[in-house]
Amino acid sequence: QKEVEQNSGPLSVPEGAIASLNCTYSDRGSQSFFWYRQYSGKSPELIMFIYSNGDKEDGRFTAQLNKASQYVSLLIRDSQPSDSATYLCAVATFLGTDKLIFGTGTRLQVFP
Amino acid sequence: GAVVSQHPSRVICKSGTSVKIECRSLDFQATTMFWYRQFPKQSLMLMATSNEGSKATYEQGVEKDKFLINHASLTLSTLTVTSAHPEDSSFYICSAVLENYGYTFGSGTRLTVV
Repeated sequence: QKEVEQNSGPLSVPEGAIASLNCTYSDRGSQSFFWYRQYSGKSPELIMFIYSNGDKEDGRFTAQLNKASQYVSLLIRDSQPSDSATYLCAVATFLGTDKLIFGTGTRLQVFP
Repeated sequence: GAVVSQHPSRVICKSGTSVKIECRSLDFQATTMFWYRQFPKQSLMLMATSNEGSKATYEQGVEKDKFLINHASLTLSTLTVTSAHPEDSSFYICSAVLENYGYTFGSGTRLTVV
């Protein structure tokens, strides 16, 4: 059974701070890792994906992957109240052919 | 690019009736689409993988006779909830994958069975 684990939160951070979201996965064969943001009542929006060990930066977001530890994280710099949402970590074995397995999500609250 | 259009966005139906949800890839061809269900305050649970021109692959515990999936073309997959009951009320979301872009999701369908 493939599993993706996230702390459900809520994670509360002040505006302007760095929010750190974590995710672990059980399947060592996983190759593709995704972070999605989901606002209440809406479908998930892709923030970024990462395939290789190390860091990948996109604007205020940085994804970090450590395959040896089976760990992937998302850092949000200069957090804004509009970043308040549920962040979903998702994992797939092969991009394009394999199903995406989601974690339970972490609810982030950014307060002014 | 990589836009997935899902309709309807909301539907209310009577118990015992059937509801069809459409998912279209607008600017790319999707050989594979995925159907998820999300209950309140829970994560997305994969229901089935839809492959163009072949039978869908259902996840364990999902009734294939109740949730009919058709993927007749490279741009359209449909999910039909047959003989819907109140416990089928949920948020249904489709997804397609585009190489080098990742998985993109439709806007979701809020189904309420009364």
